[in-house]
Amino acid sequence: NAGVTQTPKFRVLKTGQSMTLLCAQDMNHEYMYWYRQDPGMGLRLIHYSVGEGTTAKGEVPDGYNVSRLKKQNFLLGLESAAPSQTSVYFCASSVGPEQYFGPGTRLTVT
Amino acid sequence: GENVEQHPSTLSVQEGDSAVIKCTYSDSASNYFPWYKQELGKRPQLIIDIRSNVGEKKDQRIAVTLNKTAKHFSLHITETQPEDSAVYFCAASTGGNKLVFGAGTILRVKS
Repeated sequence: NAGVTQTPKFRVLKTGQSMTLLCAQDMNHEYMYWYRQDPGMGLRLIHYSVGEGTTAKGEVPDGYNVSRLKKQNFLLGLESAAPSQTSVYFCASSVGPEQYFGPGTRLTVT
Repeated sequence: GENVEQHPSTLSVQEGDSAVIKCTYSDSASNYFPWYKQELGKRPQLIIDIRSNVGEKKDQRIAVTLNKTAKHFSLHITETQPEDSAVYFCAASTGGNKLVFGAGTILRVKS
């Protein structure tokens, strides 16, 4: 099992550009999450999903959109990137409260 | 909503000494408290967790204690080794499988 995977690993965007981050899991988990990690601030929840076709806002949802069209995939979109969205993005999945994380995507917005 | 505070932000110990990291939470309904270890450039990994119906849990050199009355929980690492050097995060869940994380503690084990 690959567990939780994320694509891409690194990305540099210019202000105003858009992109989509892909998270995939092969553990048949119902729940999936997107976090951002900034120095000194821990992990903050952006959006999450409790099952295929569902999404919900987390702690810091502004500027992001998500979709969960298939159970194994959870997409995070940035429609118009801003420098404040420079961060490391982690996806996670779970069947219960124990969450398993992907390797992360380092995004820089210039 | 839930708020989790974590102390200290950095901790340096000599190899072989013990390390203790403390977290407090605000929502008395929280019932699940995991600890994650994150090595430099890697993903967070679950190392131990505790539920609200248990006061203490141990796994080899690591243990977690929970005081529901005071709303705080702690991670204890004994006989620290250089490979314990990492960032440690506590978290709390009020249900629905969502976690609120503390800001993290950088642990340095000096050999």
